[in-house]
Amino acid sequence: GEDVEQSLFLSVREGDSSVINCTYTDSSSTYLYWYKQEPGAGLQLLTYIFSNMDMKQDQRLTVLLNKKDKHLSLRIADTQTGDSAIYFCAEQDSSYKLIFGSGTRLLVRP
Amino acid sequence: DTEVTQTPKHLVMGMTNKKSLKCEQHMGHRAMYWYKQKAKKPPELMFVYSYEKLSINESVPSRFSPECPNSSLLNLHLHALQPEDSALYLCASSQEGHNEQFFGPGTRLTVL
Repeated sequence: GEDVEQSLFLSVREGDSSVINCTYTDSSSTYLYWYKQEPGAGLQLLTYIFSNMDMKQDQRLTVLLNKKDKHLSLRIADTQTGDSAIYFCAEQDSSYKLIFGSGTRLLVRP
Repeated sequence: DTEVTQTPKHLVMGMTNKKSLKCEQHMGHRAMYWYKQKAKKPPELMFVYSYEKLSINESVPSRFSPECPNSSLLNLHLHALQPEDSALYLCASSQEGHNEQFFGPGTRLTVL
């Protein structure tokens, strides 16, 4: 079955770049997503990438997709304390279900 | 209107109670979803409605009963729940099944 894996924790200093990594197993995934969840809140869609793309940039966010290695990353430039949250990557399978990774907790130190 | 709303924000219920969670969107989306999220875990899909018809039930116990009265509303009826059902219940919607899903803020449910 499908499986999505992420590292559990990342700590960066304010102003630095953050890179959150994700690996997935379903090679037929057409869309891959990044969601942000702050404590006690729902999931906020940050960005997504179509599987025929290698890179997508949206303001401070850059998504890189290596389809051969089934590796997805999210880079946040100039990380701010407001970026502290849990970040989930998700792949969409052929039945359109979202399969989430376990989430990476990002801590931004002042 | 570009958001998904959920009510109530918090709900505490006993194991013999009957309650309902509500979800609403006015983005014209035709697919709506219920997810359950336990603490420190990712969301887990429960149900999917597509064009107001139930298309996916992820083997959810019958004490959870979804309902889609119209294309903007999604309910989750709860009856005879167990303490282990305590979780954050998230609603989401998407334009079609293969499009990006937008989530509501969730209902934090506690079953005593």
